[in-house]
Amino acid sequence: AQSVTQLGSHVSVSEGALVLLRCNYSSSVPPYLFWYVQYPNQGLQLLLKYTTGATLVKGINGFEAEFKKSETSFHLTKPSAHMSDAAEYFCAVSELDFGNEKLTFGTGTRLTIIP
Amino acid sequence: EAQVTQNPRYLITVTGKKLTVTCSQNMNHEYMSWYRQDPGLGLRQIYYSMNVEVTDKGDVPEGYKVSRKEKRNFPLILESPSPNQTSLYFCASSDSSGVPPGEQYFGPGTRLTVT
Repeated sequence: AQSVTQLGSHVSVSEGALVLLRCNYSSSVPPYLFWYVQYPNQGLQLLLKYTTGATLVKGINGFEAEFKKSETSFHLTKPSAHMSDAAEYFCAVSELDFGNEKLTFGTGTRLTIIP
Repeated sequence: EAQVTQNPRYLITVTGKKLTVTCSQNMNHEYMSWYRQDPGLGLRQIYYSMNVEVTDKGDVPEGYKVSRKEKRNFPLILESPSPNQTSLYFCASSDSSGVPPGEQYFGPGTRLTVT
């Protein structure tokens, strides 16, 4: 079974500073990897995804992530944090199991932005 | 506007009283799924459906039922709710046609409390 580990359940950064949210996965097959963001009282919104091809993936709101197979990592970064980035972030891996597109999620990282 | 809707958004009920949470999508997606979100556990899949009349269990199906009589609707049924089903529930649908997996669109969530 595939799994996802997000290091750090809470991360705080100053406004304008680099955002780095860590995600490691385990998978026996080439993974499909996703980052979702959840704002308070809202559903999950896709930030970016890696399926095949370029290992550096750019997403919405200035976020990007790099797939590193040798490190089994898919860390999320943003060069300069904005107050509106405060939210919970989930890394997920997709299992295509006989038609089931189940997403296996990490436990989430809550990002706080310090003014 | 492409969206997944859920109703109700908030529900407080008592043990044993049957309830249904509705989910509807307007994107003509074949794949739909239900997740529950619990603190420290991330999101876990309850049931999924690959098309009309095709449903199957996810990781945590005990105590839940689903049906898929129409493509757009995928209701979640709790025949006899118990307090351990207190959770935040998300419905999702996907535009996938196989490999790689498509983007999953999430509803706004239903917060259920069972007393």
